[in-house]
Parts: sequence; structure tokens; C-alpha cells
Amino acid sequence: SAVISQKPSRDICQRGTSLTIQCQVDSQVTMMFWYRQQPGQSLTLIATANQGSEATYESGFVIDKFPISRPNLTFSTLTVSNMSPEDSSIYLCSVTWTVLSTDTQYFGPGTRLTVL
Amino acid sequence: QKEVEQDPGPLSVPEGAIVSLNCTYSNSAFQYFMWYRQYSRKGPELLMYTYSSGNKEDGRFTAQVDKSSKYISLFIRDSQPSDSATYLCAMGDPGNNRKLIWGLGTSLAVNP
Repeated sequence: SAVISQKPSRDICQRGTSLTIQCQVDSQVTMMFWYRQQPGQSLTLIATANQGSEATYESGFVIDKFPISRPNLTFSTLTVSNMSPEDSSIYLCSVTWTVLSTDTQYFGPGTRLTVL
Repeated sequence: QKEVEQDPGPLSVPEGAIVSLNCTYSNSAFQYFMWYRQYSRKGPELLMYTYSSGNKEDGRFTAQVDKSSKYISLFIRDSQPSDSATYLCAMGDPGNNRKLIWGLGTSLAVNP
């Protein structure tokens, strides 16, 4: 399995500002995913980030609000732009790992964001 | 109707009990099924995965998949206080670019 770290682990931000979350993996991986986890809701996929191509965003998420970078096979960033209190959530990155022909996902510890 | 339904609980059991956690789904294209455990303030960690119907056992944990009923279960035997966490089911369709569909998660408390 892969070991994934995220920075920052938590932050409290003011409305209208932006925060960039970093995700570092100890192995080279093709696909990285960014999720949002809000209280009482399922894990929601924001976008899929492949190295060397533009991120693919899910319905309801746009690049202007959640720009993503994927400069190499071990690193990605997610920026939450022009934040509002509704963006308060846990943000998680994950990677796909193939085990016995089955794709599984491994997660970082998450970034807990509070927007005031 | 959501693609994956999971009762959020909370579920509270005494130590040593057998715990049954369940998810139902509507998409017959799902081929692989996973259970994740998430402790408070941590990311989800993979517990079990299966790629077919039937049972899979790993220590005190048994994952069960019934594709005909579109129903999956996770059983925990001899539950311990350290099993207290949120358990999320997830499932995927190989033709859908490795995207997983998630349940809400069931909050479990095992009381000493």
C-alpha cells in the first residue's frame, strides 16, 4: 500500500481567502483523487488528477473554485478558492492501488478546514 | 434513490458482541466492494475488499456480498472498544474509471 501525507492537517480561514492543500505519496501513482467529507454526507469526489493532464471534475465542482495541480507522480495540490463557510469540511486525497487485479483506494489523513 | 444506502446509526454494542453492518445498492454494474474504517480525525483505512459474491474472512472480520439481492455486509466478531469507528462501504464499476460510490458510513461504539 501507499503512505500518504497531507498538509496542513487543519486550518481556520477567513471568508474570501484561499487555501492550498498538499498531498504527498511515498510511491509513484498514476491517479490521485480529491474528496470532500462533510458531516452527515457521503464522501464526495471533487476531481481526479492524473499527472500530465488536466484534472477531471465531478458534477458540481469547477476548476475556478477548486484548482488542482499534479506536477509529478507523487504530489498534488488542491486549492479551495474564495472560501465561504459552506466550504468548511474535511478534504481528503487518495490514490488508486491495484491489489490482485482489484483497484483499491488509500487515503491521506485529511485536512480539516473551518471557514469563518 | 441513492446508488448506495447505508444506515448511519449510531450503533452501540457491548464488548464481545457480533456486529453486523450493511449496505444496499441499486447499480447492478458494481463489481467490487470495499469496507473502510475511519477513526475520528483520521482518513478512511481499507479493511476488506471483494470482487465477487460470497464471503471473505480476515481475522475477526467477514465481508459478505450478495449480488442477487444487491446487499453487502460486514460482520465483526468479538467486537472490541478499539473497533469503535465509522465504517463506510464503497463500491465500483470497472467500466467507470475507478470511481468509487460511497455509503454514508455507520458510526459504531463498542462499550467496555
